[in-house]
This record gives sequence, C-alpha cells and structure tokens, in this order.
Amino acid sequence: DIVMTQAPLSVSVTPGESASISCRSSKSLLHSNGITYVYWYLQKPGKSPQLLIYRMSNLASGVPDRFSGSGSETDFTLKISRVEAEDVGIYYCGQLLENPWTFGGGTKLELK
Amino acid sequence: QVTLKESGPGILQPSQTLSLTCTFSGFSLSTYGMGVGWIRQPSGKGLEWLANIWWDDDKYYNPSLKNRLTISKDTSNNQAFLKITNVDTADTATYYCARIKRGLDYWGQGVMVTVSS
Repeated sequence: DIVMTQAPLSVSVTPGESASISCRSSKSLLHSNGITYVYWYLQKPGKSPQLLIYRMSNLASGVPDRFSGSGSETDFTLKISRVEAEDVGIYYCGQLLENPWTFGGGTKLELK
Repeated sequence: QVTLKESGPGILQPSQTLSLTCTFSGFSLSTYGMGVGWIRQPSGKGLEWLANIWWDDDKYYNPSLKNRLTISKDTSNNQAFLKITNVDTADTATYYCARIKRGLDYWGQGVMVTVSS
C-alpha cells in the first residue's frame, strides 16, 4: 500500500497569516499520463470531508483561491494564504493512483 | 446540485451483516467516468477507503477487507450499496459515500454505525 505521511500533526495560525501543510508519499504519484494523483481534503468540525485540491494543483469548485497545491512526484504541499476562521479543521492528503486508495493521518489547523 | 445521503441500521451485533445505502442526486452512475466510493472513519481517527463502483460496473475493494465487502448499484434509482459481512467492534465508524469524478469530490453527511453486543 502507498503510505501517505503528513506534517505537522497540528499547526496554530494567526488569522490573516499563511500556513503550509506537507504530505509525502511512499511511492511516486505521477502517472504515465502526466497527472499526479494527490488530493487535499478539509474536514471541518462535525462535518464531512470536502475536496479542496484535485490532481495536486487544481482548485475544486467553490474553493477560495487562498488555497493552493503544489509538489513533485512524492512531496506535496498545501498552502493557505490569509487564514480565516472558517479554515479551522483537519486537513488530509490522499492518493488515488493505486488501490487501495490511502490517506494521510491528518493535520489539525487551529487559530491562535 | 450534487447531493449524497447514506443510510444504515445504526447499531448491529457482532457477526451480523452491515448493509448501507447511498442515495444520490445531481449525477448519474451510468455516465461515462462516474463512480461512487465508500469511506469510513472511526470516531476521532482518520479516513479509510473501502470500495468503489464505476459506471461500467467495475468494482474495486480494499484488500484488507476484500473478502467481507460487496459493492453494488441501482442506476435507475440513483443508489449505491455496500455490504460488510461478519462485523465486529472494529467496524464501528461513520460511513461516507462520495461521488468519484475529480477524485472523491462530493461527500454525503455520513451515517454512524455501532457494532455492539
């Protein structure tokens, strides 16, 4: 199975500042078709996960452009610019390249 | 507008079979490239992918549970189903279904399932 490792476990951010979350995969997520199959999700308290970024760097529908995704074949970053109160929750990266699809353990974002 | 909603028994006993239903709207499982996945999350823990079913009836299962899982669909009624046999307390979790198009792009609200004697 592909292991997804996130860091840090938690991050505390002042509103208006930026935050970065890292995710590393145990295997390249770059397919031969040129697509990198890494995704980012936010699970707000008491809610279902919601898609933020698909295929490493594409913003999902309705997601503010304060969110951005980048990376290489095995190392990925989610950046949140100008953090707002509504961004609080647990962020997960996930790989959809190979079965079984797997997720990182999550990074909890809190406000200072 | 895409929506999904899970339904299930709420509570069941060890060794029973868990039957879950995902009722969706705003898309069709007969559309090329479309799929529905099931994911679960024990309370306070992370996400575990369970199974996918695709528009062409292709099915994929998590090998760690493969022998216990059966996924199916009713395209006419916009529903997908998941059965888990021989449940035990480790299967206690919130179960989500999600549309698969650009990844798992729309999720249901989840249904809590407790396995207890």
